[in-house]
Amino acid sequence: EAQVTQNPRYLITVTGKKLTVTCSQNMNHEYMSWYRQDPGLGLRQIYYSMNVEVTDKGDVPEGYKVSRKEKRNFPLILESPSPNQTSLYFCASSDDSGRDFYEQYFGPGTRLTVT
Amino acid sequence: ILNVEQSPQSLHVQEGDSTNFTCSFPSSNFYALHWYRWETAKSPEALFVMTLNGDEKKKGRISATLNTKEGYSYLYIKGSQPEDSATYLCYNQGGKLIFGQGTELSVKP
Repeated sequence: EAQVTQNPRYLITVTGKKLTVTCSQNMNHEYMSWYRQDPGLGLRQIYYSMNVEVTDKGDVPEGYKVSRKEKRNFPLILESPSPNQTSLYFCASSDDSGRDFYEQYFGPGTRLTVT
Repeated sequence: ILNVEQSPQSLHVQEGDSTNFTCSFPSSNFYALHWYRWETAKSPEALFVMTLNGDEKKKGRISATLNTKEGYSYLYIKGSQPEDSATYLCYNQGGKLIFGQGTELSVKP
């Protein structure tokens, strides 16, 4: 089954404790992206990756890191989480193989609470 | 318009009502307009992608139109059903992927 998976789905942590949210897709997609969703603000892009070893900042990259060592995985790293990073996070992927208008496939979301 | 804006933010209708809402985007920075449906506790799912001025797409009771010159798209739902209750998101695939904040639709039986 074609899908985007994220782990963990729920996480409660404390300020300053490094964490990683994993994202994996099995569709051989080139494009992957991380979003955060906050009430009234819609989905805001954190980082995206056009291909392996190619990453770029989205609209709200501060406080986050990503890596793209393999095509299927795109982990989101919070080196020192703070309470303002409490949010619902979505990973997404899409096929950018020459087609211009690609739909994104979203993971199930990770609800992160930083106390 | 610098960003993608959706209105209204929320909408409450009765079963059987038809409804519509708007996605506005910068017409100077347009590439493609996507509509997504996002049910609570699930992931957003693609509805339509629209690229040409005057485009009209339809999927069952849901349809969408696009005006790239004035920078807006309408999403219509005919004869709303409770299962249509969701947040409807649009984004402009022009440069960075900019999402609107969504329209939350609630359909009461």
